[in-house]
Amino acid sequence: DAGVIQSPRHEVTEMGQEVTLRCKPISGHDYLFWYRQTMMRGLELLIYFNNNVPIDDSGMPEDRFSAKMPNASFSTLKIQPSEPRDSAVYFCASSPGVEKLFFGSGTQLSVL
Amino acid sequence: QKEVEQNSGPLSVPEGAIASLNCTYSDRVSQSFFWYRQYSGKSPELIMSIYSNGDKEDGRFTAQLNKASQYVSLLIRDSQPSDSATYLCAVRGSGGFKTIFGAGTRLFVKA
Repeated sequence: DAGVIQSPRHEVTEMGQEVTLRCKPISGHDYLFWYRQTMMRGLELLIYFNNNVPIDDSGMPEDRFSAKMPNASFSTLKIQPSEPRDSAVYFCASSPGVEKLFFGSGTQLSVL
Repeated sequence: QKEVEQNSGPLSVPEGAIASLNCTYSDRVSQSFFWYRQYSGKSPELIMSIYSNGDKEDGRFTAQLNKASQYVSLLIRDSQPSDSATYLCAVRGSGGFKTIFGAGTRLFVKA
């Protein structure tokens, strides 16, 4: 199994630009999570899906952020417009619903 | 008050010593508790889970849970330099699958 696959690994963009982060969960996993990690705030849950349906998006910081899961094998997290304070590592994780979260390698986002 | 709180550290211990990492949580109905390890520049990986009060041992690792005190801890015996990492405490509530992480404690094991 290839694990959770995130792309891109690194993204550098300018303030105001649209950013799209992508995630392919492990096949058969019903749950998908998006987290953001910064030194100041640690690992924050943004949103999670169950069977492609958003269950809890209370962690999405504001309307500039949106996430979709059009099918069981793909999810996107979009930031529009991006701001420097969005700079962080964004992790996608999936789970079969038992206990363990399987994390992707993360996307390092830098907004200049 | 944060939902899951940890001392950010760094916690420094000599090789061979016991490292003790602590975590408190605010939601009394939380049911599942986890410890993840994260090496610098890498993604978190699960090392221990615990669901009931008491101790759970796995090799050099022991997780301890006290629901009355809303307290979770991780003990690492015979600490090795390879244990140097950030340890994240995670908590899951009774409903749904929402998993909340603490900010993590950095551990340094000195050779």
